Amino acid sequence: GAGVSQTPSNKVTEKGKYVELRCDPISGHTALYWYRQSLGQGPEFLIYFQGTGAADDSGLPNDRFFAVRPEGSVSTLKIQRTERGDSAVYLCASSLMGGTQNTEAFFGQGTRLTVV
Amino acid sequence: SQQGEEDPQALSIQEGENATMNCSYKTSINNLQWYRQNSGRGLVHLILIRSNEREKHSGRLRVTLDTSKKSSSLLITASRAADTASYFCATTKTSGSRLTFGEGTQLTVNP
Repeated sequence: GAGVSQTPSNKVTEKGKYVELRCDPISGHTALYWYRQSLGQGPEFLIYFQGTGAADDSGLPNDRFFAVRPEGSVSTLKIQRTERGDSAVYLCASSLMGGTQNTEAFFGQGTRLTVV
Repeated sequence: SQQGEEDPQALSIQEGENATMNCSYKTSINNLQWYRQNSGRGLVHLILIRSNEREKHSGRLRVTLDTSKKSSSLLITASRAADTASYFCATTKTSGSRLTFGEGTQLTVNP
């Protein structure tokens, strides 16, 4: 596809369950970002990949959150033992280059996660 | 904490008027970007201004950057009802790679 694709678009899960959120970036983009956004707030940085490696994971709130990008393309954000406070829209973005040569980031439509 | 802070938090204007939104930040930056978001889903990139640039134009958008005051402004001229959205500034620090967003300005353009 031409843009960043995120699946699923909506996910409802029970407290304590495990969830995986998927992001397909634009082909050829080396940088991939995960953010989460609560209603009325700006996107909150979670993790940034450059290629296959996590260049900056300092935004992950705790060890229940983990993300991978094994082949430098698709990324999966994994949340263990979900809590109601994890409910938010999880946004993925990719850009052609990262580091201090940042170019514009292209965002997916997000996954709305609701923990009940 | 967010690097960028936009003001005002909310802005309501009439169609045809100009809209100005401001963004302040705290640390040195490599570049500053403005994004638009409709209905709380995906963000759309509007314009990027690098730290050595002072002003940039794109269609009805004009962005300024004052690194001495650590601030930027986004001007939308001749606004349209379709411009109604949330607008966010985002910065990239010189020492890092993350794109850090502010809390946004909710713009409402009344027809």
